Amino acid sequence: GAVVSQHPSRVICKSGTSVKIECRSLDFQATTMFWYRQFPKQSLMLMATSNEGSKATYEQGVEKDKFLINHASLTLSTLTVTSAHPEDSSFYICSARALGGGAYEQYFGPGTRLTVT
Amino acid sequence: GEDVEQSLFLSVREGDSSVINCTYTDSSSTYLYWYKQEPGAGLQLLTYIFSNMDMKQDQRLTVLLNKKDKHLSLRIADTQTGDSAIYFCAESRRSGAGSYQLTFGKGTKLSVIP
Repeated sequence: GAVVSQHPSRVICKSGTSVKIECRSLDFQATTMFWYRQFPKQSLMLMATSNEGSKATYEQGVEKDKFLINHASLTLSTLTVTSAHPEDSSFYICSARALGGGAYEQYFGPGTRLTVT
Repeated sequence: GEDVEQSLFLSVREGDSSVINCTYTDSSSTYLYWYKQEPGAGLQLLTYIFSNMDMKQDQRLTVLLNKKDKHLSLRIADTQTGDSAIYFCAESRRSGAGSYQLTFGKGTKLSVIP
């Protein structure tokens, strides 16, 4: 089946620094990638949708200058949390959908635990 | 409202059946999904059902869909300790930009008692 990887799986950074999270589709070309944020005991909240080669579409309330998304190739999307603050600590999950993939063909990465100290 | 609703906790004994319920909001949703999340891990698609179906069975999993009441359920037969996880119900909605995106419930934590 389709595999999506995320790197790193866990990261700790200091307040004010930036951290980049990578999301890769390993065995398919992902024309669309999604970034979610999950708080403890909460649901997944969609942050943004990115299509390869174009700017990401951010959900209401998500600061695009703080959460920079780059979908430069059909197998890689990155999320950069800029000037991180402790309230940015969360579990970030990406998912990917292939060209022509149905709504059910959205595959999730294992997530990245970000802790900002 | 706009929320996908699920009960937060369910506890069952090993070998019994588990039934996890969900209500959704968008009657135009074409697909409804059940995902499983184990601790510290991402989401695994368990099963999905197309909106013109009433039931779908896949080995130990049975999904029932009541479109009139916008109610979805997941039954796990012969529940095992390995089934302990959080189960998310999700519906696909068309976004303002015209693409489909998933909207998740808060998840039901299933605890299986040996």
